[in-house]
Amino acid sequence: DTAVSQTPKYLVTQMGNDKSIKCEQNLGHDTMYWYKQDSKKFLKIMFSYNNKELIINETVPNRFSPKSPDKAHLNLHINSLELGDSAVYFCASSRGQTTGELFFGEGSRLTVL
Amino acid sequence: GENVEQHPSTLSVQEGDSAVIKCTYSDSASNYFPWYKQELGKRPQLIIDIRSNVGEKKDQRIAVTLNKTAKHFSLHITETQPEDSAVYFCAARRTNQAGTALIFGKGTTLSVSS
Repeated sequence: DTAVSQTPKYLVTQMGNDKSIKCEQNLGHDTMYWYKQDSKKFLKIMFSYNNKELIINETVPNRFSPKSPDKAHLNLHINSLELGDSAVYFCASSRGQTTGELFFGEGSRLTVL
Repeated sequence: GENVEQHPSTLSVQEGDSAVIKCTYSDSASNYFPWYKQELGKRPQLIIDIRSNVGEKKDQRIAVTLNKTAKHFSLHITETQPEDSAVYFCAARRTNQAGTALIFGKGTTLSVSS
């Protein structure tokens, strides 16, 4: 039973399009995150939510809008996609903000052409 | 904010040798330091972690040491095996007015040849 699941796993799209990635966790965790992993493998925090409330917005462009309808779900919508948005986006969750291991989803590879 | 430096960026060893990866952090308030292993095309997974009230922790062939004064921590893998080949990330938990998050180093690609 997958703990943190993301869809889709692969996304190929044209510049200027809008796309969404969905994430769900069945661990009962309170905190969820989006991380971006670029071509050099660097894992960078983008957002975190705690019980549906936005906690961290790490100077990400306004084109990126996270939404958390409930504490088990955290979606990421990206408007006006640019070439530099190509990356693997990882959703993750933890029991709390300061407690527990970070569990990652499988990642969603976004390619912008 | 917290900055985590990781060295080396690549490491090649022979099977059976030891591997050591080192990280430094900048925020003395950081109190949790996990290590993640990411195999090719897979998600990062926790392999070991250490909290700031402990100097060393061991789990079979892997160990982590922490020097709070110097603000550095290291991952030690003994008797390396080909399946240890992966990218390893250190991280430090940052807490500031913006919230709490794990800040990752840039990763070390470990290659173990048989």
